[in-house]
Amino acid sequence: DAMVIQNPRYQVTQFGKPVTLSCSQTLNHNVMYWYQQKSSQAPKLLFHYYDKDFNNEADTPDNFQSRRPNTSFCFLDIRSPGLGDAAMYLCATSRDLEAYNEQFFGPGTRLTVL
Amino acid sequence: GQNIDQPTEMTATEGAIVQINCTYQTSGFNGLFWYQQHAGEAPTFLSYNVLDGLEEKGRFSSFLSRSKGYSYLLLKELQMKDSASYLCAVNRGDYKLSFGAGTTVTVRA
Repeated sequence: DAMVIQNPRYQVTQFGKPVTLSCSQTLNHNVMYWYQQKSSQAPKLLFHYYDKDFNNEADTPDNFQSRRPNTSFCFLDIRSPGLGDAAMYLCATSRDLEAYNEQFFGPGTRLTVL
Repeated sequence: GQNIDQPTEMTATEGAIVQINCTYQTSGFNGLFWYQQHAGEAPTFLSYNVLDGLEEKGRFSSFLSRSKGYSYLLLKELQMKDSASYLCAVNRGDYKLSFGAGTTVTVRA
């Protein structure tokens, strides 16, 4: 089945220790998104790629970076995780940027910062 | 800023009907999505409304009034598996989604 896959499902890191979360998709979609979702809060868009074009949200901290080496994979790098970065990180894809294109979400990676 | 409001929690009995309201004030509007999210899982797409009116899809229906900045998701013949969080999300016209915090629906036997 075509899908969005995130690894790992659970990630524990230490304060200040860099961590990378990965996302892959078999949908061949042009757009990939990274969201941060804290408990009982709305998913917050961090950035997205349209093909190789990177688009950062204005309020995304510099601590968060992303890479998309090819259509299928996208990575979220947190350079120096703080306690406030503990959250669920959701990867999503959409076929294109048309308004009616639904976003397909991966299962998420829950990040714990010790 | 973007403002999307929905109730935090709702409880209903198996077989009943529940209506989840969503009001929005956003910088632009190009459609509204409803997603279902079970605990610890990814959000899954339920519906998309861009024109005023009711869209029915099986047990789930979604309504939109653009002039009122208002939508609702109607869940009929509730089943235990419908216990989940329901997220309202607005496409702001810049191809980005702004999400509400979600409404947790608990279905009781």
